[in-house]
Amino acid sequence: DAGVIQSPRHEVTEMGQEVTLRCKPISGHDYLFWYRQTMMRGLELLIYFNNNVPIDDSGMPEDRFSAKMPNASFSTLKIQPSEPRDSAVYFCASSPGQGMVETQYFGPGTRLLVL
Amino acid sequence: AQTVTQSQPEMSVQEAETVTLSCTYDTSESNYYLFWYKQPPSRQMILVIRQEAYKQQNATENRFSVNFQKAAKSFSLKISDSQLGDTAMYFCAFLMDSNYQLIWGAGTKLIIKP
Repeated sequence: DAGVIQSPRHEVTEMGQEVTLRCKPISGHDYLFWYRQTMMRGLELLIYFNNNVPIDDSGMPEDRFSAKMPNASFSTLKIQPSEPRDSAVYFCASSPGQGMVETQYFGPGTRLLVL
Repeated sequence: AQTVTQSQPEMSVQEAETVTLSCTYDTSESNYYLFWYKQPPSRQMILVIRQEAYKQQNATENRFSVNFQKAAKSFSLKISDSQLGDTAMYFCAFLMDSNYQLIWGAGTKLIIKP
């Protein structure tokens, strides 16, 4: 299996620009998670989906952040407009729907730098 | 609320030595899962090992094993025959059976010296 795929791996943008991060979960996994990691706050869960439906978005910091999952193999996390404090590593993770449902497998992450 | 504590911010050992990383947690739940994840300099989060709370047998994955003490709420990771590639941040994480939000420890930076 290819594992969780994220793109881009690195993104540098200017404040005010729109940023779109992409994720392809492991095939057959029913759960998808978006995390943010910073030195100050560690790993934070932003939102997660079950069968393409958002279940808990309480971790989304503000309205500038939005996430979608149009189908079982693709999700996006969008920041508009971006701000310097959004600079972080953003991880996508997926989890099987049965059996080891609780184990989350992470993608390589997207390093975002907002200037 | 559930919490996870890793009391060792940084550890350093020689290659081929055995090292144990500590993790304690606090919960009133009876069904839960515990994980160790490794994050090397590449920043990838890699699952090292997992443990179901209802299983008394300690999990083992090759050179990695855990010492799970449910009553003491302790979940330590032992790395045997350490290798240079084991250099990484190690995070302990807790997950309740009833939801999917991982609770993370602050991490332990492990350095394997040649």
